[in-house]
Amino acid sequence: GENVEQHPSTLSVQEGDSAVIKCTYSDSASNYFPWYKQELGKGPQLIIDIRSNVGEKKDQRIAVTLNKTAKHFSLHITETQPEDSAVYFCAATPNTGNQFYFGTGTSLTVIP
Amino acid sequence: DGGITQSPKYLFRKEGQNVTLSCEQNLNHDAMYWYRQDPGQGLRLIYYSQIVNDFQKGDIAEGYSVSREKKESFPLTVTSAQKNPTAFYLCASSPQGYEKLFFGSGTQLSVL
Repeated sequence: GENVEQHPSTLSVQEGDSAVIKCTYSDSASNYFPWYKQELGKGPQLIIDIRSNVGEKKDQRIAVTLNKTAKHFSLHITETQPEDSAVYFCAATPNTGNQFYFGTGTSLTVIP
Repeated sequence: DGGITQSPKYLFRKEGQNVTLSCEQNLNHDAMYWYRQDPGQGLRLIYYSQIVNDFQKGDIAEGYSVSREKKESFPLTVTSAQKNPTAFYLCASSPQGYEKLFFGSGTQLSVL
């Protein structure tokens, strides 16, 4: 089955700096890659996603890039703010409606 | 207000006891999922259901059981056979044919 690895496990940045979180996957059949943000004591919320036919997607301060050849995708947060502090999970899924495979999470702390 | 409701938020289990976690959604989604989250680990799939009266085991189904008698409801029972039940349990749903997962706010289960 699919194996998703996520790095780093913890990340601290100064407010206003950029943060980058990277994930790799093993199954070349994976074609959908969402990113979730989880605040303490809450369920994860989808913040951005990308499909395998797209190399990059941007939504305001958040962007995701995908390299299908290398089987890795990354989350980029620019101009970080304290409210960006949370745990971020990447995921991959090979087929619509099937299992999602999650990375182990990155705890991001934005220092004011 | 549409969404996924999990209850209770906190639950305690005694030795040898079965406990049931509730998950209700009013999003009219076909697919529902149960994930287990342990500190420092990614989300692991316990069970999922893509249609009423049908469900499949995920990666860590041993010691758990589910039912899907109604489209809106997907309760999870943690049986006494689950020897290490302490974890944060997340319920999710998605529209059939789409990839986006919507999560509830979770239930923290602890052993007394």
